[in-house]
Parts: sequence; structure tokens; C-alpha cells
Amino acid sequence: AQKITQTQPGMFVQEKEAVTLDCTYDTSDQSYGLFWYKQPSSGEMIFLIYQGSYDEQNATEGRYSLNFQKARKSANLVISASQLGDSAMYFCAMPDAGGTSYGKLTFGQGTILTVHP
Amino acid sequence: DTEVTQTPKHLVMGMTNKKSLKCEQHMGHRAMYWYKQKAKKPPELMFVYSYEKLSINESVPSRFSPECPNSSLLNLHLHALQPEDSALYLCASSQDQTLDTQYFGPGTRLTVL
Repeated sequence: AQKITQTQPGMFVQEKEAVTLDCTYDTSDQSYGLFWYKQPSSGEMIFLIYQGSYDEQNATEGRYSLNFQKARKSANLVISASQLGDSAMYFCAMPDAGGTSYGKLTFGQGTILTVHP
Repeated sequence: DTEVTQTPKHLVMGMTNKKSLKCEQHMGHRAMYWYKQKAKKPPELMFVYSYEKLSINESVPSRFSPECPNSSLLNLHLHALQPEDSALYLCASSQDQTLDTQYFGPGTRLTVL
């Protein structure tokens, strides 16, 4: 089974600055993927970025990038030039890559990000 | 277009009521999911349908009954719920039940009185 750990219950950042949200994982799978989702107070889970374990480059998507360190089993999300609309809960997640739970997403506990003007 | 729609947005029901939640996607995805999420907690998987067949049931109580009438629709039938079932219910879909990205709908906020 996968395990995802997000150790920062809450983070604060000033508008226009960069912020890093931590995520560490544990899996016995050789091939795996990691997702980051954003959940504003409205409730919708918004897909942000994906990193595959065999991807040679760190994933980037606009202002979002992943600092993927496979040896450390970490996949931290970096948000550059923070905006007020970035205030939300952020989840790191990993799908089961085999067995009867194939595709089941295991989520971390989430980090609440607050962007100050 | 990566849109998953859910209706209703809000639902209040009594413990003796029967109601249904509806989820729809038109992305040609063949896997659909129901998650339950309590406030400030991560979503918990309830059911997975793959190619319109129930693939995963995470030991969900029988008062929750899923249904997949076709590849675009997913329903969750509710009967005799308890107040502790009050939560945000999220639907998601993905290309297949693999490592593909799951796209979520806006959710239904359910309150059981």
C-alpha cells in the first residue's frame, strides 16, 4: 500500500513570492506516479501537476513545478509568484499501481495555503 | 474539456429519505469514482466503476448504492443515512482505472438531519 505524508498543516506566503509545499511518499512499486491537487473552499478538487517515477525531468505546469527527489522519496510542489487565488488546501496523492486497488488514490493529509496581500 | 458535473450541489435529507446523487462526464473516460470527504480531511474512496462494472467497493455500508447506467453517468443512491454520513461527495473520472489522472467534479455537499 502507498503512504503519503504532508507534514505542513498550514503555510503562509506573501503575494508574488514563491512557496514550497512538502510531500514525501513510500511505495514498493517500481513504477509509480504522483499527483498534486488544489481544493479551494468551494470544494472542487483541481488537478495541478503529475510526475512519473521514470520521468527524467521535473514536471512543470505554468507557475507550478515539482521538485522530485526520487532517492529521498519526496515530491514537493513549488508555486512561483503566488496569487491571492492560490489560497486553498493542497493534496499530494499517489495511485495504487497493482492488485485489487489498482488506480485507487491515496492522499496525504493536505496543506492549507494562505496567501497574504 | 476536462469537465465532470455533479448534481445537486447541496442536499439536505432526513434519515428516512431516499435520494440520489448524479455525476456525468463526456470525456470518453471508462473509469468513474465516488469519494467521500469530511471537512479538512483528504477524500476517501468509496467505489470505482471500470467499463461500467463495479471494480472496487471499499466496504461501504449498503445504505450507499452505486449505479453506472452507461459510460458517461454515475449515480449514488442514498437510503436511511445517518448524520455521520454528512460530507462532501466527490465524483471523478479517468481514462482508465490505471495511473491516469483523475478529474473531479465540484462535489455535492450532503447534510443528513
